[in-house]
Amino acid sequence: ETGVTQTPRHLVMGMTNKKSLKCEQHLGHNAMYWYKQSAKKPLELMFVYNFKEQTENNSVPSRFSPECPNSSHLFLHLHTLQPEDSALYLCASSPWTGSNEKLFFGSGTQLSVL
Amino acid sequence: DQQVKQNSPSLSVQEGRISILNCDYTNSMFDYFLWYKKYPAEGPTFLISISSIKDKNEDGRFTVFLNKSAKHLSLHIVPSQPGDSAVYFCAAIQGAQKLVFGQGTRLTINP
Repeated sequence: ETGVTQTPRHLVMGMTNKKSLKCEQHLGHNAMYWYKQSAKKPLELMFVYNFKEQTENNSVPSRFSPECPNSSHLFLHLHTLQPEDSALYLCASSPWTGSNEKLFFGSGTQLSVL
Repeated sequence: DQQVKQNSPSLSVQEGRISILNCDYTNSMFDYFLWYKKYPAEGPTFLISISSIKDKNEDGRFTVFLNKSAKHLSLHIVPSQPGDSAVYFCAAIQGAQKLVFGQGTRLTINP
């Protein structure tokens, strides 16, 4: 148990669906991150939030829309995804963005887009 | 351009022997290196790290070696145990910039 909880663990969606991934951290951290892990590829940073403010968008397509209502919660809203978006989506947190070597990851959401 | 590379997608080692996982990087400005371990259906967890001012860091069965001139990082696990079977990610960071990960190496420890 890392203190970072992600739901759902698995998600299957069609290309026309709208769904949301949820992440919650109980560590008192101020920075939260979304990463994407595709098969045989490095973890790719998608978004960074520091004290609820988005500080990085790593050229992510607009069909992925993050939301950070407070320092403990992070969402990733998905709409009109493509099959190549199928991957493991990992949420992480750290004390602040400058301390991102101390990342704590959730278990991830395994997403399949049909 | 991939700045951190793990060229071996998989490695199989006998229980009790030494496991050596390798990582190469291209950015000479990286000043901190980390290894993460990931079990199936779980997120990566931090394993061990090393600052660029050191060439070795040891924590129990795990030792990380850094060769700055070769831009090479390695993780040694000795003795290897079945519970060490997992995917290992090498990562590097420059200052307060984002963490850059390698592709991962799947380690299998055989009884």
